[in-house]
Amino acid sequence: EAGVAQSPRYKIIEKRQSVAFWCNPISGHATLYWYQQILGQGPKLLIQFQNNGVVDDSQLPKDRFSAERLKGVDSTLKIQPAKLEDSAVYLCASSFLPQGLNTEAFFGQGTRLTVV
Amino acid sequence: AQKITQTQPGMFVQEKEAVTLDCTYDTSDPSYGLFWYKQPSSGEMIFLIYQGSYDQQNATEGRYSLNFQKARKSANLVISASQLGDSAMYFCAMRERADGLTFGKGTHLIIQP
Repeated sequence: EAGVAQSPRYKIIEKRQSVAFWCNPISGHATLYWYQQILGQGPKLLIQFQNNGVVDDSQLPKDRFSAERLKGVDSTLKIQPAKLEDSAVYLCASSFLPQGLNTEAFFGQGTRLTVV
Repeated sequence: AQKITQTQPGMFVQEKEAVTLDCTYDTSDPSYGLFWYKQPSSGEMIFLIYQGSYDQQNATEGRYSLNFQKARKSANLVISASQLGDSAMYFCAMRERADGLTFGKGTHLIIQP
């Protein structure tokens, strides 16, 4: 079974530039998450989709971050304009529905963003 | 307030020894789930073990077991007979309702030969 695919693996941009990350979840997984993992910390949830609807985006900095999941499959996370503090690994994860307390989330390898 | 607290930033353990990674959590919800994930240097998060708040028994998965003490709000991961390949970051996480996971800051475990 193919896992969660993310691209690119690495990205270096200058501050104030824009950047986009792509995620393809495991086939059949209706729930998709984007997490931000700053060096030395645990992942922080940015946004959770169920099919193509947003379930939780309370921690997404909406002035600069946006995400979409057209057709309920692939998802794109965008940052515009980027700040130095956005340097982090961006992890995508997916899981089955219905989502219970014990539903395992499967993670991709992440995109490492460096803002200079 | 921190929902998940991992107090050990790093640990060194001799190969073949058992190791306990600490995790305490904070929630007022009676129904919740607790997870442990392993993150090797390659970056992916690997699911290890799950414990539900209503589970009577401590969870076990191969060499991994979870020491769940509900009254103390702790969910420590025990790895028996550690191996060099166990060297990685370990994260404790909690789910309340149908939300996404809330992670702790992690413990960097290094297994020495």
